[in-house]
Amino acid sequence: EPEVTQTPSHQVTQMGQEVILRCVPISNHLYFYWYRQILGQKVEFLVSFYNNEISEKSEIFDDQFSVERPDGSNFTLKIRSTKLEDSAMYFCASIAGPGTEAFFGQGTRLTVV
Amino acid sequence: SQQGEEDPQALSIQEGENATMNCSYKTSINNLQWYRQNSGRGLVHLILIRSNEREKHSGRLRVTLDTSKKSSSLLITASRAADTASYFCATDVGDYKLSFGAGTTVTVRA
Repeated sequence: EPEVTQTPSHQVTQMGQEVILRCVPISNHLYFYWYRQILGQKVEFLVSFYNNEISEKSEIFDDQFSVERPDGSNFTLKIRSTKLEDSAMYFCASIAGPGTEAFFGQGTRLTVV
Repeated sequence: SQQGEEDPQALSIQEGENATMNCSYKTSINNLQWYRQNSGRGLVHLILIRSNEREKHSGRLRVTLDTSKKSSSLLITASRAADTASYFCATDVGDYKLSFGAGTTVTVRA
C-alpha cells in the first residue's frame, strides 16, 4: 500500500538553528500539507501546497517557515530559526484530489532545546 | 478554524465491549474523516464519510453522520487491546484542508 514517508523520525536542535523536515508524499497525489501537533494538543494545519505553490497557510506559518518541492518527489518544511515553542510532532500529508482521504506520514518529532 | 470536537475525552472499556465516540462540528462540511493515533505515532486514516452519506462501515468500525445535528459517531465493535489509541475526527469544509478535534483516548482493558 502506498504511504507517505517522513524523515527524520526525531530531530533535536538548538534554539536558533535551522531545520529541514522531509517528506515523500504518495506519488500520484497532487495536494500536500504540513500539520503539527504539540504534545497533548490538537493537530493543527500549517500549510497546503498545490501546483508548486502555497495554497493556504495558517497564522502559525509565519516568516520563519517555508515549504518547497525541490524535485518530483520530496516535499520539505524548513524552519529558519527554531524556537522552543516549535517543539512538536510535524506531520506531512497528501491527497489525490479534493474531497479524498488524507494520508499522513509517521511524523517527525522536533525537539528544540 | 478548529471545529471538530470529540466526546468523551477519554473512554475505558473491557476487551470485547463496544466503544462509541462522538464528534460535533460547527459549519457545513464536504466530508468528515476519522483517524487513529497510537501513542506518539502517526495518524492512520480509518473512514471518510461524505456529507450526502449517513452511515459507513469498515470491518469493526461503523461511522454515522447527521448533518442536521452537525455530528458524527464512530463505533468500534468487539474491541481489542490493539484498539487502544486516540481517535480524531477531522472535517473538510471544502477548502482542501482538515480541521481536527481534540480526540478521544480509548483504553481497552484485557
